[in-house]
Amino acid sequence: GAVVSQHPSRVICKSGTSVKIECRSLDFQATTMFWYRQFPKQSLMLMATSNEGSKATYEQGVEKDKFLINHASLTLSTLTVTSAHPEDSSFYICSADHRVNTEAFFGQGTRLTVV
Amino acid sequence: GIQVEQSPPDLILQEGANSTLRCNFSDSVNNLQWFHQNPWGQLINLFYIPSGTKQNGRLSATTVATERYSLLYISSSQTTDSGVYFCAMHKTSYDKVIFGPGTSLSVIP
Repeated sequence: GAVVSQHPSRVICKSGTSVKIECRSLDFQATTMFWYRQFPKQSLMLMATSNEGSKATYEQGVEKDKFLINHASLTLSTLTVTSAHPEDSSFYICSADHRVNTEAFFGQGTRLTVV
Repeated sequence: GIQVEQSPPDLILQEGANSTLRCNFSDSVNNLQWFHQNPWGQLINLFYIPSGTKQNGRLSATTVATERYSLLYISSSQTTDSGVYFCAMHKTSYDKVIFGPGTSLSVIP
């Protein structure tokens, strides 16, 4: 199957700082990647769709200026949480569109704690 | 959009017991998967099963697409089966994945 790698797996940052999370498709090219967020005891919800070479599209209620997404290559998308606050503490996970294989492939996820 | 329900929301099993988890969905889907989220948050892909039946060891899954439901069977449960089980679906590979609310399973020794 296809491999999606996400880094870091865990990060603790101070309130007001920015954190960058990387999502890589290791053995395939992905024109589209997806970023999901999961709050404690809840399901996973889509935040934004990352499109290579163009602007990301954000779900309703997700601040695009706070969650910056860059998809500069066919194997890498990054999510930057800017001016992080404790309420941004969550589990963030990405997936990549394989196109050929219709299964959804997910990264390992990143647990962000803002103190 | 597609509405997804899972039942039961919570389940406690004695080690060795069997269980059936259910996923109902409101619209036809081309792609359906079952995931196990372990205590570290990682999503483990259990089955890709848009229709039919598949088995993998102690786990098996059945999807009846025409009736819009899928079942996940866990037999001879082990403590390592604990975690949250999600059914998830998407129309095409470039569509977002919609997750159900999950079933939280605790297997006690």
